[in-house]
Amino acid sequence: AQSVTQLGSHVSVSEGALVLLRCNYSSSVPPYLFWYVQYPNQGLQLLLKYTSAATLVKGINGFEAEFKKSETSFHLTKPSAHMSDAAEYFCAVSFGAQKLVFGQGTRLTINP
Amino acid sequence: GAVVSQHPSWVICKSGTSVKIECRSLDFQATTMFWYRQFPKQSLMLMATSNEGSKATYEQGVEKDKFLINHASLTLSTLTVTSAHPEDSSFYICSARDLGTGNTEAFFGQGTRLTVV
Repeated sequence: AQSVTQLGSHVSVSEGALVLLRCNYSSSVPPYLFWYVQYPNQGLQLLLKYTSAATLVKGINGFEAEFKKSETSFHLTKPSAHMSDAAEYFCAVSFGAQKLVFGQGTRLTINP
Repeated sequence: GAVVSQHPSWVICKSGTSVKIECRSLDFQATTMFWYRQFPKQSLMLMATSNEGSKATYEQGVEKDKFLINHASLTLSTLTVTSAHPEDSSFYICSARDLGTGNTEAFFGQGTRLTVV
């Protein structure tokens, strides 16, 4: 069965610093991978997705992620953090039309 | 992107009553909808997969008689929490996929915060 592990339940960075949120997946076949962002008391918004095309995926709000099959990773990065990036981030995996399986989530805090 | 509307955004009900939450796909046909539950500071836990015109598929440990799911049309799925108790208080989120276009993305509703008193 597929699974997702997000390393670090809480990440804190300074405004303007690099953001790196880690995600590793477990799968015997190439999966689809997603990063979602959730603001308090709201649903999830898709940041970006990997669906077997380019391994470096660019998303909204300056985020990007790189699919590394050899490392079974799909880490999310942003070169320069902004205060508005403070939120909960979820990595998720699915196979085609099957259900999404979410990681535990990482709370990103931005320090002024 | 496609829009999924969830209603209500919050509800408070008395213990023992039932609450219905609606999830609508506004600009696409959602052959499959998913219902999640999220406890504070935790991830989303899939409760059930709802397919239009057929019975929902529930995840292990989810009481299908307590959490009634109906997907009567391609744009509407409902979740009814029957005989609600305080432990049912949670954040419920629906999502929908437009599988007709082969889109792999799931679109999420705004969520419903249920408080049972």
